[in-house]
Amino acid sequence: GAGVSQSPSNKVTEKGKDVELRCDPISGHTALYWYRQSLGQGLEFLIYFQGNSAPDKSGLPSDRFSAERTGGSVSTLTIQRTQQEDSAVYLCASTSGSSGELFFGEGSRLTVL
Amino acid sequence: EDQVTQSPEALRLQEGESSSLNCSYTVSGLRGLFWYRQDPGKGPEFLFTLYSAGEEKEKERLKATLTKKESFLHITAPKPEDSATYLCAAPGGTSYGKLTFGQGTILTVHP
Repeated sequence: GAGVSQSPSNKVTEKGKDVELRCDPISGHTALYWYRQSLGQGLEFLIYFQGNSAPDKSGLPSDRFSAERTGGSVSTLTIQRTQQEDSAVYLCASTSGSSGELFFGEGSRLTVL
Repeated sequence: EDQVTQSPEALRLQEGESSSLNCSYTVSGLRGLFWYRQDPGKGPEFLFTLYSAGEEKEKERLKATLTKKESFLHITAPKPEDSATYLCAAPGGTSYGKLTFGQGTILTVHP
């Protein structure tokens, strides 16, 4: 497909388990973003990758959260030792350059029991 | 700290009843104001970018305007398919894509 692809679309896990969320950006887009959307918090920036530059991790809420982007394309967001407050929809977006016109995927809904 | 505030939280309109959504912002050195539409279960979809006070952008029944302190999204003669959550956002930092989003306005248009 031509859009941003995220997997899994839904993930239910137990408190304390680790989870990995995957994002396939639009081909050719150099910038990739992760956002989190939860009730009462709206959309929050998590992390940003631009080309080969060091990622901007300023939005990650704790050191349990990490992300990597391999080969300038696919990205994985990892949450270690999940907590109930991590329950949210995790959205990935990509764009060319540093544009604010982001193309979002449909998100991965994470539920931590 | 950058802040983006939207009002109202929810808006119910009859089909054909025009109205406006508001987005006020407190951002140092504003470098643009973005509007997105989000349907249930989907990611946000880009609508407009406004860069300077007085600028206007239009798309179908939607028109976005920008002043020095706020932006408006005007909806003219809305249809039920315009029902969605409308989000505004302002960029912070060095990247235009590192956005501070408002809480959104949930628009419902009844036939």
